[in-house]
Amino acid sequence: GAGVSQSPRYKVAKRGQDVALRCDPISGHVSLFWYQQALGQGPEFLTYFQNEAQLDKSGLPSDRFFAERPEGSVSTLKIQRTQQEDSAVYLCASSLKAGKNYGYTFGSGTRLTVV
Amino acid sequence: KQEVTQIPAALSVPEGENLVLNCSFTDSAIYNLQWFRQDPGKGLTSLLLIQSSQREQTSGRLNASLDKSSGRSTLYIAASQPGDSATYLCVKAGGTSYGKLTFGQGTILTVHP
Repeated sequence: GAGVSQSPRYKVAKRGQDVALRCDPISGHVSLFWYQQALGQGPEFLTYFQNEAQLDKSGLPSDRFFAERPEGSVSTLKIQRTQQEDSAVYLCASSLKAGKNYGYTFGSGTRLTVV
Repeated sequence: KQEVTQIPAALSVPEGENLVLNCSFTDSAIYNLQWFRQDPGKGLTSLLLIQSSQREQTSGRLNASLDKSSGRSTLYIAASQPGDSATYLCVKAGGTSYGKLTFGQGTILTVHP
């Protein structure tokens, strides 16, 4: 597609519910990031994929968070047993390649509200 | 730990003014630096990308500079307009083999008529 697509756009979850957030990167893009943006804050790194390989998951806040990109294209961020502190906008970004010559394109994000 | 700092945190100006937004970073291992704008409830829109080998980039009324030695980048906005009102984010790529993105906290810009 022409841009990075994220779905759903909005998600309201009851505390304890599991959620799955989807990211469709630009076709052919190798690199994919997930970020978490709390209200009034800058985005914080969660995880990075290069094709299907998850090269860095150091930003995932707990073992309730899990991300995958099994075929090197679409990625899913799963949050188990959601807590109120998980409420944030989750942003996905992709780039043609990793490294210095390539900038990143961001999706519009998924706004997760845990009630 | 890599850090990116943006100053000021918020800026309110009348229409027509020329603006300077500042970004500083602590780690000189940089692939590139990218400026984004974020409108309320929206995603990030890329404004300018400066490669590590470059000193500046220009697009329309926007000009961004990069000084790796001092760890600074500056975004200039000429002849500001109300439509420029948004949060501006400075994003540094580098510090890892794959160019991890580190964000500043943003500058909230309000341009009033």
